[in-house]
Amino acid sequence: AQSVTQLDSHVSVSEGTPVLLRCNYSSSYSPSLFWYVQHPNKGLQLLLKYTSAATLVKGINGFEAEFKKSETSFHLTKPSAHMSDAAEYFCVVSGSSNTGKLIFGQGTTLQVKP
Amino acid sequence: DTAVSQTPKYLVTQMGNDKSIKCEQNLGHDTMYWYKQDSKKFLKIMFSYNNKELIINETVPNRFSPKSPDKAHLNLHINSLELGDSAVYFCASSPSGVPNYGYTFGSGTRLTVV
Repeated sequence: AQSVTQLDSHVSVSEGTPVLLRCNYSSSYSPSLFWYVQHPNKGLQLLLKYTSAATLVKGINGFEAEFKKSETSFHLTKPSAHMSDAAEYFCVVSGSSNTGKLIFGQGTTLQVKP
Repeated sequence: DTAVSQTPKYLVTQMGNDKSIKCEQNLGHDTMYWYKQDSKKFLKIMFSYNNKELIINETVPNRFSPKSPDKAHLNLHINSLELGDSAVYFCASSPSGVPNYGYTFGSGTRLTVV
């Protein structure tokens, strides 16, 4: 069965410093992986996705993630945090069938301090 | 134009009542989903429909009944509401149930049962 674990429930950074949100996955086949962001009281927005093409994936708002099969990881990074990046971030893996089911991690709250 | 729209945005109701949440997408997608986000922000799939046909029905009480009149609409009806039903419910859509596309989410319906 597919699963995803976000290693930090809460990350706090200062504005202008790098962001690292960690995600490990478990999958019995080559997965599709996603990062979604949820700003307070808003819906979820797709940041980026990995679908077996390039292992370094660039997304919106300067975020990127690297797929590392040997480490079963898909960590999200950004070189310089902005106050507007404060939100909840979800690492997501595709389910085991072709039903389109996505399995969400527990979420990481990113706090950005001025 | 809103791609995936849910109504209402907020719903406060008493225990025992019956309520419905509506979802519509104008993206031409074939597959629609309902997800429940609990108070700890964990997202779990409830139902999925592909071209009006139910394809995913997770372990959800039968008080919850989805209805898809056409592939652009997926409504959620909840009977005999309980306190534990309080959550944010998200509708989402994707093309043809293909997992590596990702979802487009609605902005959510915050249901509060008192």
